[in-house]
Amino acid sequence: AQRVTQPEKLLSVFKGAPVELKCNYSYSGSPELFWYVQYSRQRLQLLLRHISRESIKGFTADLNKGETSFHLKKPFAQEEDSAMYYCALLISSGSARQLTFGSGTQLTVLP
Amino acid sequence: DAGVIQSPRHEVTEMGQEVTLRCKPISGHNSLFWYRQTMMRGLELLIYFNNNVPIDDSGMPEDRFSAKMPNASFSTLKIQPSEPRDSAVYFCASRGGRDGNTEAFFGQGTRLTVV
Repeated sequence: AQRVTQPEKLLSVFKGAPVELKCNYSYSGSPELFWYVQYSRQRLQLLLRHISRESIKGFTADLNKGETSFHLKKPFAQEEDSAMYYCALLISSGSARQLTFGSGTQLTVLP
Repeated sequence: DAGVIQSPRHEVTEMGQEVTLRCKPISGHNSLFWYRQTMMRGLELLIYFNNNVPIDDSGMPEDRFSAKMPNASFSTLKIQPSEPRDSAVYFCASRGGRDGNTEAFFGQGTRLTVV
């Protein structure tokens, strides 16, 4: 079953424009959600997690349980934000916890 | 700690050959994940271990794929025989502790090309 959905494979915006990367999840338990980012030629790394309720590099993401969404937003995109973004859901499986990812969105910020 | 270490970084092999990918998780982490990244499917979870025990291998595409974790500091992902459609970047990640807030740390990945 698809647990995490990122509907946009590719997203392009101009520098300075707002950007929103969509993420919807499906999980009957209490969700723990994350956004990971992969810059060109670098390893995947954590960008932010919903429980921290923090802003990282200008990005924020709010968990909306009613809409089962965790969209990533930034009011003014920068060229250095161009990267692959993955939404991830932590699922409990017995005593273990599995991290499952969406299919990713490639963000390109144009000059 | 040097983080999650994967080897090799790049692997080019001929169809039909056996391929072994290696991963050293961060010391103290008790969960290890193997993912495959392709343009078409994004990041797919292949298998994950908890305390060296495979918990869920439902993402392993075929019997040609197998993974082991003989101890807490080492894991392998083996493909035998390899096929061109196995070409992808394979990532290993680890996370640790009983604290549900611990993030997963990824290795640099192994770029596999099967010709």
